[in-house]
Amino acid sequence: AQSVTQLDSHVSVSEGTPVLLRCNYSSSYSPSLFWYVQHPNKGLQLLLKYTSAATLVKGINGFEAEFKKSETSFHLTKPSAHMSDAAEYFCVVSHGGSQGNLIFGKGTKLSVKP
Amino acid sequence: NAGVTQTPKFQVLKTGQSMTLQCAQDMNHNSMYWYRQDPGMGLRLIYYSASEGTTDKGEVPNGYNVSRLNKREFSLRLESAAPSQTSVYFCASSGRPPSGSRETQYFGPGTRLLVL
Repeated sequence: AQSVTQLDSHVSVSEGTPVLLRCNYSSSYSPSLFWYVQHPNKGLQLLLKYTSAATLVKGINGFEAEFKKSETSFHLTKPSAHMSDAAEYFCVVSHGGSQGNLIFGKGTKLSVKP
Repeated sequence: NAGVTQTPKFQVLKTGQSMTLQCAQDMNHNSMYWYRQDPGMGLRLIYYSASEGTTDKGEVPNGYNVSRLNKREFSLRLESAAPSQTSVYFCASSGRPPSGSRETQYFGPGTRLLVL
């Protein structure tokens, strides 16, 4: 069975400091992994995705994530937080092309202090 | 391209009323999905449609029906709304990209539903 665990429900950082949002997954298959971002009262926007190519994935807005199979992790990072990064972030796992098979984490709310 | 569009954006219903949430995509995607989002729960799949004319249940289908009207449109119907269906509803679509890599789902802006 597949599952996704986002280890922090809320992360608070100061503007200009690094961001780390943690995600662990379990999957019996070779997974695809995604990070989506949701700004307040908005829909979900794809931030980046891993699909078994390079293990370090670069996304939009300076975010990146590293797939570590040995640790079953896919943590999201950014070197320097910006106020506009304040949002909720979802780690998502998919095990292939069959339909309706996205498993969402419960989300991590990122706050950025001036 | 508008991507995935949803109507209405907001809706208030009384218990027992019915309504249909509309979703359309202009990306020529085969697959479409309906999710609900509740605080602390992430997104949970209600129904999905792998192609025009087919629909399948997701994790939380009870109290809902869907209709894949054509390739572009996928509607979600609440026949008799209950307060437990107060939520934010997201529609998504996906299609295999030309590169052959795995599908990515693209989401609409959501419909906020309050059932009193």
